[in-house]
Amino acid sequence: QQPVQSPQAVILREGEDAVINCSSSKALYSVHWYRQKHGEAPVFLMILLKGGEQKGHEKISASFNEKKQQSSLYLTASQLSYSGTYFCGTESNSGYALNFGKGTSLLVTP
Amino acid sequence: ETGVTQTPRHLVMGMTNKKSLKCEQHLGHNAMYWYKQSAKKPLELMFVYNFKEQTENNSVPSRFSPECPNSSHLFLHLHTLQPEDSALYLCASSQGQGSSNQPQHFGDGTRLSIL
Repeated sequence: QQPVQSPQAVILREGEDAVINCSSSKALYSVHWYRQKHGEAPVFLMILLKGGEQKGHEKISASFNEKKQQSSLYLTASQLSYSGTYFCGTESNSGYALNFGKGTSLLVTP
Repeated sequence: ETGVTQTPRHLVMGMTNKKSLKCEQHLGHNAMYWYKQSAKKPLELMFVYNFKEQTENNSVPSRFSPECPNSSHLFLHLHTLQPEDSALYLCASSQGQGSSNQPQHFGDGTRLSIL
């Protein structure tokens, strides 16, 4: 069952912050985050495992609340290069294939 | 350069044609995946191969036929496709199917158009 991402789209000015949410109706084992630029392959950002950990990748970090069955991706001091579509992929049990959300389109303007 | 190469990048075919998509990974991974990406829809998993064995077929119509001759190569054979099959087809690989802490590496995809 696919996770629900919100918002569907967001436009930011360079330097602003954004939060992208990923929610599931099923218990989650892990959440994966990817970014895809137009005409390019999705690129892996980070994986969060059951345990509520928070991870960081430069100015992009994420949290995973297994009780709420949701994950949030935080983009701080956004840069033009952050523009793209962000996908979360959820895994309900270890070793199972990922279910991806519809994506959140992020545009950072100068 | 993601380490996953897909060819061709673009393909236009008629509904009665037979064609194949190719994917090659240079990462030493054991699991390979085919996804379909349509506009305004989530990435749809089609097939999974783990150590050359098909471990998942996500109710894909038989006009799509995968082949995995070894852990580095994956093919998707296409036959008598429908207009609704027009989409971006993405290949990915990972270190084992257990994806809990293994990221998937995607190719740039093949943009398929059915006339």
